[in-house]
Amino acid sequence: DVVMTQSPLSLSVTLGQPASISCRSSQSLVYSTGDIFLNWFHQRPGQSPRRLIYRVSNRDSGVPDRFSGSGSGTDFTLKISRVEAEDVGVYYCMQGTHWLWTFGQGTKVEIK
Amino acid sequence: QVQLVESGGGLVKPGGCLRLSCAASGFTFSDYYMNWVRQAPGKGPEWVSYISGSSSDINYADSVRGRFTISRDNGKNSLYLQMNSLRAEDTAVYYCATDPQPRDLGYWGQGTLVTVST
Repeated sequence: DVVMTQSPLSLSVTLGQPASISCRSSQSLVYSTGDIFLNWFHQRPGQSPRRLIYRVSNRDSGVPDRFSGSGSGTDFTLKISRVEAEDVGVYYCMQGTHWLWTFGQGTKVEIK
Repeated sequence: QVQLVESGGGLVKPGGCLRLSCAASGFTFSDYYMNWVRQAPGKGPEWVSYISGSSSDINYADSVRGRFTISRDNGKNSLYLQMNSLRAEDTAVYYCATDPQPRDLGYWGQGTLVTVST
């Protein structure tokens, strides 16, 4: 199975400051079509995961533009340009290129 | 809009069985792959199984293969997961999830809790 490794596992950020989460895969996530199925999710306690970014860099409808995704091959990053209070929770990367589709361990973001 | 509502979770003893359901609305159900994803307490999500719109393409995680069976009824817009020989490590919130591109997984239900314990 493809192992997704996130870092850091926790992040304490001052409101209005930037934050960055790294996600590395144990294999290239380039699919035979050329697509890269790397998604980012945000989960608040007691809620379902909500997708923020799909295929590396495409923001979902309703997701603030302070969220951005980038990367290629095996190395990916989620950036929050200015953290707001509603951004607390756990962020997961997920690969859909190779079955078994797998998630990272999660990065817990809190406000300092 | 896409709505997914899971049901059927509960407390069951090890070795027991349970059948989960997911009622779908807001999209052409028969056109979409459907997935079950679970999340154990304090852990990240874990894929369980997927099924194609026609039920011709099905796959399972090794951890549940041979014990769980995914199925769907397109006439009822419903997805199912029959879980047999349950173990303590199957304790989790079970989500159904879908997307027009199944590998993108953009839509999730609210989940149903399965607890396997004596």
